[in-house]
Amino acid sequence: GAGVSQSPRYKVAKRGQDVALRCDPISGHVSLFWYQQALGQGPEFLTYFQNEAQLDKSGLPSDRFFAERPEGSVSTLKIQRTQQEDSAVYLCASSLGRGGPGEQYFGPGTRLTVT
Amino acid sequence: GENVEQHPSTLSVQEGDSAVIKCTYSDSASNYFPWYKQELGKRPQLIIDIRSNVGEKKDQRIAVTLNKTAKHFSLHITETQPEDSAVYFCAASPFSGGYQKVTFGTGTKLQVIP
Repeated sequence: GAGVSQSPRYKVAKRGQDVALRCDPISGHVSLFWYQQALGQGPEFLTYFQNEAQLDKSGLPSDRFFAERPEGSVSTLKIQRTQQEDSAVYLCASSLGRGGPGEQYFGPGTRLTVT
Repeated sequence: GENVEQHPSTLSVQEGDSAVIKCTYSDSASNYFPWYKQELGKRPQLIIDIRSNVGEKKDQRIAVTLNKTAKHFSLHITETQPEDSAVYFCAASPFSGGYQKVTFGTGTKLQVIP
């Protein structure tokens, strides 16, 4: 079946622009995660959804970052008034979310470059 | 919150030799420890994971050991091959009430020299 998909794959934004990044998780996966991965670093947790409920947003770096998953499937990460330090790869991952801890399946990521 | 440290940051081995990557974690509530492999420009992919109720798990050339008392776990790759070259991330996660928050290490870049 289809894996996790993300769009766009690449985004160049001028500083101050708003961007929206989309994630399509694996069908039926309850849990959805967003991560930020800077060059040469591990993925850093941003936020977590269980179905449509955002249960943890402790990793969002500022109030310019906002995420939603209104129908419990597709999720959007929005960054307002982008800054250069927002340049990174944004990874989405989904997992079954039932029956104990398990594999998180990652999407290909969106590489955001803020100029 | 959880803090995961990973060593070494880079590792070069000759093809056929073994590679070992070590990680420590801080949160005693963590009970799930996955390892991900990320090739250049690609997404992270799970290669092996271990839960806290076991001390060792093996899958062909890959094995992971866990010492809960010392809060450290290691990845062992035997008979390395050039296609093992990638960045490897360890991670730790407490799992409670259906919520699994994974904290990643900073990665180890493994180079297997033919």
